[in-house]
Amino acid sequence: KQEVTQIPAALSVPEGENLVLNCSFTDSAIYNLQWFRQDPGKGLTSLLLIQSSQREQTSGRLNASLDKSSGRSTLYIAASQPGDSATYLCAVLNTGTASKLTFGTGTRLQVTL
Amino acid sequence: DADVTQTPRNRITKTGKRIMLECSQTKGHDRMYWYRQDPGLGLQLIYYSFDVKDINKGEISDGYSVSRQAQAKFSLSLESAIPNQTALYFCATSDSRTRQETQYFGPGTRLLVL
Repeated sequence: KQEVTQIPAALSVPEGENLVLNCSFTDSAIYNLQWFRQDPGKGLTSLLLIQSSQREQTSGRLNASLDKSSGRSTLYIAASQPGDSATYLCAVLNTGTASKLTFGTGTRLQVTL
Repeated sequence: DADVTQTPRNRITKTGKRIMLECSQTKGHDRMYWYRQDPGLGLQLIYYSFDVKDINKGEISDGYSVSRQAQAKFSLSLESAIPNQTALYFCATSDSRTRQETQYFGPGTRLLVL
């Protein structure tokens, strides 16, 4: 059974810092991995999706990497801003699991002024 | 307007009551999902539907039922609500025609069972 772990559970950084969020998974037979952002009282917003054949994806200040063999992904946020404060979730889609995502428990990020 | 909508956004009910949570989408996606989120836990899949006639149980389907009334509508029912069903419920959609199958989420329904 796939298990997804995110460390740390919470992180506070001053504005302007670059930061890395970590995601690890136990079963490397994945189809893709997604990073989501969750704001209080709102749904999940997909940030980046990495296919199993890819090593990284970039969108603006965000860069996600994937090392399938070691079961790890990182989300790098450059020049953090207070508006980046949210909970970040990673989720993996395993091959042969008919579109069922397995989610991590998230990292709650606070960017302070 | 939001592509994936959920009603109600908040609901308080009593133990033993039957309630229904509704999800509608305008994205034209064929696949729809219901998840629940509990504090400190990841989202868990309750039910999923690949089309109107294809409904499948997820990890935690006990105590829940669903109805796919049309491609755009997917409802979740709690037949007899109990306090440990207090959670945040999310509906999501995806398009099987795309290679990536990104899932798009609604805003969630916060349910409190007393």
